[in-house]
Amino acid sequence: GAGVSQSPRYKVAKRGQDVALRCDPISGHVSLFWYQQALGQGPEFLTYFQNEAQLDKSGLPSDRFFAERPEGSVSTLKIQRTQQEDSAVYLCASSFELTNTEQYFGPGTRLTVT
Amino acid sequence: AQSVTQLDSQVPVFEEAPVELRCNYSSSVSVYLFWYVQYPNQGLQLLLKYLSGSTLVKGINGFEAEFNKSQTSFHLRKPSVHISDTAEYFCAVSGSGNQFYFGTGTSLTVIP
Repeated sequence: GAGVSQSPRYKVAKRGQDVALRCDPISGHVSLFWYQQALGQGPEFLTYFQNEAQLDKSGLPSDRFFAERPEGSVSTLKIQRTQQEDSAVYLCASSFELTNTEQYFGPGTRLTVT
Repeated sequence: AQSVTQLDSQVPVFEEAPVELRCNYSSSVSVYLFWYVQYPNQGLQLLLKYLSGSTLVKGINGFEAEFNKSQTSFHLRKPSVHISDTAEYFCAVSGSGNQFYFGTGTSLTVIP
């Protein structure tokens, strides 16, 4: 497909487990973003990549959150020792341009920590 | 830093009636403004965007928005809504950085 894809779409984790969420951006898109969307809220920025470089990780809520994009395409968001407050939808977006004029969003991964 | 306020968390409107969803932003720099729509269990889809030029922006599905710099607003309008417009609508702003700042969303419910 031509859009941003994310997997898995749904993930249930027991508190304390580690999870890995995958994002496949649109081919050729330079910029990649991760957002966290809590229930009833708007998306909140987590981190940003330009190619393989992580240029901004100011939104990551704790050192349990880690993101990578080693080859400048697919990205993985990892959450270690999940907590209940990590339950949210995690959205990935990509952009062709270096300037922030449009982002294309994936369907998200709904993480539920029990 | 930028921020976005969507004052109306829920907007019910009858089918074929007009609707306005309000968005105000704060920023110390020039901004780009966006409206996204989110259907249940789906990602965000871009409705329209303002980058520069004409302050009246037309988007998909018959929506339009007007950038008002003096009032720091970017309200979304549609002259006649359909049942299929029922969804969550998010206003967003980007500025000097690369991230988008989103409002908390407005839930539009179209009543038959």
